[in-house]
Amino acid sequence: AQSVTQLDSQVPVFEEAPVELRCNYSSSVSVYLFWYVQYPNQGLQLLLKYLSGSTLVKGINGFEAEFNKSQTSFHLRKPSVHISDTAEYFCAVSLTGNQFYFGTGTSLTVIP
Amino acid sequence: DADVTQTPRNRITKTGKRIMLECSQTKGHDRMYWYRQDPGLGLRLIYYSFDVKDINKGEISDGYSVSRQAQAKFSLSLESAIPNQTALYFCATSDRRTVNTGELFFGEGSRLTVL
Repeated sequence: AQSVTQLDSQVPVFEEAPVELRCNYSSSVSVYLFWYVQYPNQGLQLLLKYLSGSTLVKGINGFEAEFNKSQTSFHLRKPSVHISDTAEYFCAVSLTGNQFYFGTGTSLTVIP
Repeated sequence: DADVTQTPRNRITKTGKRIMLECSQTKGHDRMYWYRQDPGLGLRLIYYSFDVKDINKGEISDGYSVSRQAQAKFSLSLESAIPNQTALYFCATSDRRTVNTGELFFGEGSRLTVL
């Protein structure tokens, strides 16, 4: 079975500073990896995804993530955050695209 | 208009009442899902359906039932609501034709409070 661990439940960061949100997964087979973002009072929307190929994936709003197979990680990064990036971020894995398993989420708060 | 619409958006009810949450989509997707979100627990899958005649239990289906009335409609029922079913519920869709690109499309959520 797949599982996802998001190591940080809350991450405060000052505006224009870099940020990394950590995600580790466990699976004995290849998986698809995703980051979703949830803005206050909204549903989740896709930020970026890794299916295959290049291990560095770029998404919307300047976010990127790097797939590391040996460390089974898929950390999310942004070099300079804005106030508007304040949101809940969820890492997710899928084995075949049929079922998705989500982490517990990381609340990113950008401080002015 | 939203592609995935959930009704009601907010509901307060009492223990023992029957509650139905409805989801409709205009994306033409064949797959639909119900998730539950609790603080600190992330999203957990309740039920999923790959087409009208295919319904499957997720990891936390006890106390819930679903109905896929049409390709575009997927309802979640709580036959006898209890306080620990207080949560934010999300409906989501995906398309088998793009299964290899895997992406879920979410509604805006239904907040349920059981007193």
